[in-house]
Amino acid sequence: RKEVEQDPGPFNVPEGATVAFNCTYSNSASQSFFWYRQDCRKEPKLLMSVYSSGNEDGRFTAQLNRASQYISLLIRDSKLSDSATYLCVVPNAGGTSYGKLTFGQGTILTVHP
Amino acid sequence: NAGVTQTPKFRVLKTGQSMTLLCAQDMNHEYMYWYRQDPGMGLRLIHYSVGEGTTAKGEVPDGYNVSRLKKQNFLLGLESAAPSQTSVYFCASSSHYEQYFGPGTRLTVT
Repeated sequence: RKEVEQDPGPFNVPEGATVAFNCTYSNSASQSFFWYRQDCRKEPKLLMSVYSSGNEDGRFTAQLNRASQYISLLIRDSKLSDSATYLCVVPNAGGTSYGKLTFGQGTILTVHP
Repeated sequence: NAGVTQTPKFRVLKTGQSMTLLCAQDMNHEYMYWYRQDPGMGLRLIHYSVGEGTTAKGEVPDGYNVSRLKKQNFLLGLESAAPSQTSVYFCASSSHYEQYFGPGTRLTVT
């Protein structure tokens, strides 16, 4: 199994739709997880952190299933501005040192009118 | 507060040429990282540093060298550029797990 694996998409959804992405990870010892957002030709930026079973921030909900080793990101009421690549990120995914992150390949989301 | 800055933003090199990419951060972070991002490959860690004067290899270190002489700066060097090093290079810094990225350097090696 890859250290961090995401469905690359692309996901094409209309405005107002609800969309969910999943991410699986291999290191069962991982304790915290992140979703980063990357706009076209820009740098990644932190969207949400997940330290326990889940986290909610407005239209965005991140959930963690430790038993199945996956993280999900749910976006409700999609906006055109949500169009981006969403990166699943796991610290120390390879059992390596503090501060190192392993990035998934990213899931492309396009929200259309 | 500039955060993380990178220079240059764009560069075209010929095979065999050398260059240095500069990353600077003003957040007093201990940890700094260099990544490359290629289509379909995601972000891959090249080298990282856990403090001034220290460096370590990441996932894809071959063909690159780094130095961290000052806490705020992290330099990435290509001694003899190859077309396979055509990529977008991102620098990042952190104090814990959350990493802050610079705007990237687009490098093309012909």
